[in-house]
Amino acid sequence: DTGVSQDPRHKITKRGQNVTFRCDPISEHNRLYWYRQTLGQGPEFLTYFQNEAQLEKSRLLSDRFSAERPKGSFSTLEIQRTEQGDSAMYLCASSLRYGQGVTKNIQYFGAGTRLSVL
Amino acid sequence: AQKITQTQPGMFVQEKEAVTLDCTYDTSDQSYGLFWYKQPSSGEMIFLIYQGSYDEQNATEGRYSLNFQKARKSANLVISASQLGDSAMYFCAMREDGSNYKLTFGKGTLLTVNP
Repeated sequence: DTGVSQDPRHKITKRGQNVTFRCDPISEHNRLYWYRQTLGQGPEFLTYFQNEAQLEKSRLLSDRFSAERPKGSFSTLEIQRTEQGDSAMYLCASSLRYGQGVTKNIQYFGAGTRLSVL
Repeated sequence: AQKITQTQPGMFVQEKEAVTLDCTYDTSDQSYGLFWYKQPSSGEMIFLIYQGSYDEQNATEGRYSLNFQKARKSANLVISASQLGDSAMYFCAMREDGSNYKLTFGKGTLLTVNP
């Protein structure tokens, strides 16, 4: 059973460029979350998918951010026209749906993608 | 208002001793979950332990235990017999069951285990 994998691990880009990150959740997990973590802070929620449906987006997710989860498997997070303030660690997590015998809804995280915008 | 408060930016402990990392939370939900994660310098968030709001017993997972005091809204992590590999950031997080199950994290505590 492989864990959550994220690609790339590190990304350096110039301001104004577009970047895309990928997350592959644990195979049987139907929920997928994206978080952003800046230096010295805990992760902050960005968005959440149940299967292929994006059910919630944080106000942190500006119009330059878009996330998809086609076919309810892997997910991508795209940032258009990157700004220096976008520099952060982007973490993906997955979990089983709470209920139906699942009582803990534990989110398992990937190793993250560290973005540096120059 | 902060939903998760971790008041210890840094903690030091001697190898083989026990250490307690503090966490207080704020919610009006009756049903919620509390989590502790470990984040080594590599960046991955590693799940350690979970406590549900209706669980009557304190959670334990190996050397980790969660001291859950519901009336005080605290969920402190106790690590027994510290090891050098325990040196990392530790985050307390809460899931409110009316919130699409997203996690709200504290700012973390940096634990350093000294030989």
